[in-house]
Amino acid sequence: DAGVIQSPRHEVTEMGQEVTLRCKPISGHNSLFWYRQTMMRGLELLIYFNNNVPIDDSGMPEDRFSAKMPNASFSTLKIQPSEPRDSAVYFCASLPAGANVLTFGAGSRLTVL
Amino acid sequence: GQQVMQIPQYQHVQEGEDFTTYCNSSTTLSNIQWYKQRPGGHPVFLIQLVKSGEVKKQKRLTFQFGEAKKNSSLHITATQTTDVGTYFCIPNTNAGKSTFGDGTTLTVKP
Repeated sequence: DAGVIQSPRHEVTEMGQEVTLRCKPISGHNSLFWYRQTMMRGLELLIYFNNNVPIDDSGMPEDRFSAKMPNASFSTLKIQPSEPRDSAVYFCASLPAGANVLTFGAGSRLTVL
Repeated sequence: GQQVMQIPQYQHVQEGEDFTTYCNSSTTLSNIQWYKQRPGGHPVFLIQLVKSGEVKKQKRLTFQFGEAKKNSSLHITATQTTDVGTYFCIPNTNAGKSTFGDGTTLTVKP
């Protein structure tokens, strides 16, 4: 199994640009989580999906952030427009039904100039 | 969500020394999980504890869950440079929804 696949691994963009981060969960996992990690705030849960349906988006910082899961094998996290304070590592994690252990992807390191 | 206090926040040891990190809660926990994140890496699941007084070992790592299920510890015997990273304890994980605290960041001097 290739694990949770995230892309891009690194992105540098300018303030105001749109950013799209992508995640492919492990095949057969039915829950998907987006986390953000910064030095100041640590590892924060942004949103999670169960069977492609968003269950809890209370961690999404503001309207500039949106996440979708159009099918069981793909999710996106979009920031529009991006701001320097969005610079962070964004992790995607997935989980099979009935389980309680997250498998994380390698993360996408975003730098907004 | 459930909050636990994890101490210390930072620990620097000489290679070969032992290391312990503690998680303390004011309320009884249903379970506790431990993750490790290497510098520049992603969190990796280590173990889940659910039973009162449970002790589990993974090579040089020993995990304990207190009798009252309010605290937990991770002990590493004879640290190696490969042990560097941040160790997180996660309380009351339910269907994967996990709240990560600051963790304990371990550095090991060779």
